[in-house]
Amino acid sequence: GEDVEQSLFLSVREGDSSVINCTYTDSSSTYLYWYKQEPGAGLQLLTYIFSNMDMKQDQRLTVLLNKKDKHLSLRIADTQTGDSAIYFCAETDYGGSQGNLIFGKGTKLSVKP
Amino acid sequence: DTGVSQDPRHKITKRGQNVTFRCDPISEHNRLYWYRQTLGQGPEFLTYFQNEAQLEKSRLLSDRFSAERPKGSFSTLEIQRTEQGDSAMYLCASSSAVGYPYGYTFGSGTRLTVV
Repeated sequence: GEDVEQSLFLSVREGDSSVINCTYTDSSSTYLYWYKQEPGAGLQLLTYIFSNMDMKQDQRLTVLLNKKDKHLSLRIADTQTGDSAIYFCAETDYGGSQGNLIFGKGTKLSVKP
Repeated sequence: DTGVSQDPRHKITKRGQNVTFRCDPISEHNRLYWYRQTLGQGPEFLTYFQNEAQLEKSRLLSDRFSAERPKGSFSTLEIQRTEQGDSAMYLCASSSAVGYPYGYTFGSGTRLTVV
């Protein structure tokens, strides 16, 4: 079945770049997303990328997609302590179910001052 | 518009009791989703409405779970005869057909603890 895998933890120093990686199995994935979840809160959509794109940049965020390897990454430049949170990768098949986002288990990012 | 609202934020219930959660989506969104998130896991899809029609249900949604969206606006999720395994964060999200698939907005969730 469909699966999304992420490493569970990442620790960086303030000001460094963070790179969070994700792999997925569904070759029909059309849209891929990065969500951020702070403690006790819901999910905040950070960015998304269509499967026909290789890269998307949005301020401090850069998303890279390697469709051949089914690998997605999120780079956060100049990481701040406020970036500490859990980051979820998610995918969906627009041509199929229109309600079903498949999430990874999340990567907990810790930013040390 | 204040985004997606969920009520209550926290619910503690005894095993065997029924509980009901409410979700108020963004007013112009016609699609509404329920997800469940357990500790250390990502959210898992439960069910999806377009307007008042429930179009998809996950196999995770056992017979004890029922969701409604009677007027195509707010939605309720009811769990009957709660079990300890039902303890989780229940998240609601909404989107518009026009904005799909990049317009999902999640609420802050209802955390259920079954004791």
